[in-house]
Amino acid sequence: NAGVMQNPRHLVRRRGQEARLRCSPMKGHSHVYWYRQLPEEGLKFMVYLQKENIIDESGMPKERFSAEFPKEGPSILRIQQVVRGDSAAYFCASSPPKAGKKYEQYFGPGTRLTVT
Amino acid sequence: QKEVEQDPGPLSVPEGAIVSLNCTYSNSAFQYFMWYRQYSRKGPELLMYTYSSGNKEDGRFTAQVDKSSKYISLFIRDSQPSDSATYLCAMSGALGGTSYGKLTFGQGTILTVHP
Repeated sequence: NAGVMQNPRHLVRRRGQEARLRCSPMKGHSHVYWYRQLPEEGLKFMVYLQKENIIDESGMPKERFSAEFPKEGPSILRIQQVVRGDSAAYFCASSPPKAGKKYEQYFGPGTRLTVT
Repeated sequence: QKEVEQDPGPLSVPEGAIVSLNCTYSNSAFQYFMWYRQYSRKGPELLMYTYSSGNKEDGRFTAQVDKSSKYISLFIRDSQPSDSATYLCAMSGALGGTSYGKLTFGQGTILTVHP
């Protein structure tokens, strides 16, 4: 499967626990983006990363949320001390390495986080 | 006011109809315009992308961009029940700009094509 891969597909956490969401970009892609889709709302940009660098985190909540894209392995979106309002679908996207292709984003199937 | 406005519908059409989906936007920095299709509980699927104003055709799909009116459209010809999904418009600023690569989405239009 050459598409964007995300795991887990479903994640249930109790309030106060940590959630870790993983994303492997499409083969050959080096840019990763995270978006959140809240119920009844559209997709909202959170963060844009390249290997070992956060390029734009203007959409990330200031507290409890962090993201990384290490040299080896998948990108990880980490949510500490989850609250009910964090329940949403989290999507990862990737784009080709060419600088002029960042708008061409391909999405994974998403991780649906439920906080109880 | 949202940067991108999209009528959520729902929109219901008979099979074979021409479907018109639209978005308006307020940010004149947007230069790239995309349409995604999202089936229930799935990830968005990139259908088409266009740069600046003009038309682009791909099979049964045609995307139009009118930057002077800040208005974009997606037309689906000979619609099929398998086209039933939520359609999302998305936009990005120009290369080198602060919003480049950071897609701004419309709310999505729910489309149902009935046999």
